[in-house]
Amino acid sequence: GESVGLHLPTLSVQEGDNSIINCAYSNSASDYFIWYKQESGKGPQFIIDIRSNMDKRQGQRVTVLLNKTVKHLSLQIAATQPGDSAVYFCAETQEYGNKLVFGAGTILRVKS
Amino acid sequence: GAVVSQHPSWVICKSGTSVKIECRSLDFQATTMFWYRQFPKQSLMLMATSNEGSKATYEQGVEKDKFLINHASLTLSTLTVTSAHPEDSSFYICSAATGGPGELFFGEGSRLTVL
Repeated sequence: GESVGLHLPTLSVQEGDNSIINCAYSNSASDYFIWYKQESGKGPQFIIDIRSNMDKRQGQRVTVLLNKTVKHLSLQIAATQPGDSAVYFCAETQEYGNKLVFGAGTILRVKS
Repeated sequence: GAVVSQHPSWVICKSGTSVKIECRSLDFQATTMFWYRQFPKQSLMLMATSNEGSKATYEQGVEKDKFLINHASLTLSTLTVTSAHPEDSSFYICSAATGGPGELFFGEGSRLTVL
């Protein structure tokens, strides 16, 4: 279903540490998932995606894990930097529909 | 990469007036555009799906007469907030799809403040 507009949880990490941001998705029919980064006052910025036929995908400093059994996604950021501070959203869709449903989001704060 | 532009990026208006927000795909043709609304410290909520040359499809709970959407060309969709009230103050974000799998691009958002 649609995101219910919950207030965002916050994850605080020390610069250089790894961050793990979790997301539960709602629709078992979703087959394409995307992580977005949103900085204050800006639109969402694509980070990484994964299709449902995969359980792991790696990018530069980021890894997405997908567990379809429990409908769970995670975003791992290696060696977190101050510039990573932002709000992170997962989004789900049926790939060719492009109609995204966003998760609740997590605020990531990186302490120097 | 593909660029989606929104205008204005911010607008302040008086209660009772109407405000139009434009969403343009600058270097590609968008078969479909989506409009989202985001309140402070909350997630993006889909308002409507807009297809060129046809009526928009609104999500449940979104008033069609309040939020008028026009998708006049493959590069432009507009959202008009009619008779705006302070509770309509929000961050409005559009996205544009090319029709290819996963090819969806977001604008930078438009912040509306209704006094």
